[in-house]
Amino acid sequence: EIVMTQTPLSSSVTLGQPASISCRSSQSLTDSDGNTYLNWLHQRPGQPPRLLIYKISKRFSGVPDRFSGSGAGTDFTLKISRVEADDVGVYYCMQGTQFVTFGGGTKVEIK
Amino acid sequence: EVQVVESGGGMVEPGGSLRLSCAASGFTFSNAWMTWVRQAPGKGLEWVGLIKRKIDGETTDYAAPLESRVTISRDDSKNMVYLQLNSLITEDTAIYYCAAGLGATQVDHWGQGTLVTVSP
Repeated sequence: EIVMTQTPLSSSVTLGQPASISCRSSQSLTDSDGNTYLNWLHQRPGQPPRLLIYKISKRFSGVPDRFSGSGAGTDFTLKISRVEADDVGVYYCMQGTQFVTFGGGTKVEIK
Repeated sequence: EVQVVESGGGMVEPGGSLRLSCAASGFTFSNAWMTWVRQAPGKGLEWVGLIKRKIDGETTDYAAPLESRVTISRDDSKNMVYLQLNSLITEDTAIYYCAAGLGATQVDHWGQGTLVTVSP
């Protein structure tokens, strides 16, 4: 099983300031088809998760360009350029290369 | 508009079984991979399993810890997917989410979830 490890566990961010979350996988997520199936999801309190970023850096429909993803192989990063109040909640990385596994989550709150 | 709606949750006794349903609309269901994910109270997301579309063999993949107890099936004529989980234990208490994979990932669109509580 591919293990996904996120850091930090939590982050307190000032409105308008950037935030960054890291995700590391226990083995390379590059598939034999050349794609890397690393995704990011956001879960607001009391809500289901929603997809933000797929294949490392592609923004899903309706996701603002404040969100960006980067990385390769086993190391990935989600960045929020300017945090807004609506961005609070838990962020999960997820790999879909070998079955599906999720990271443990990073809680983002406003300072 | 893509919609995914889970049903069938409730309270179940240990040792019992659950069968959850997921109704999908707003997209071509037969083209979707359908995934179940659960979330225990106050915990993170745990993948349960998925069922691929017919042209991909309609095969299923399950999380290893649950493989002996879980079955996912689909009925494309009804735009429905089902989750059966047997021999329930208290640790199966969770919100169970159904998600549709429409090409980006296995979990592009999520339902609101249905709560299952396993308790004597």
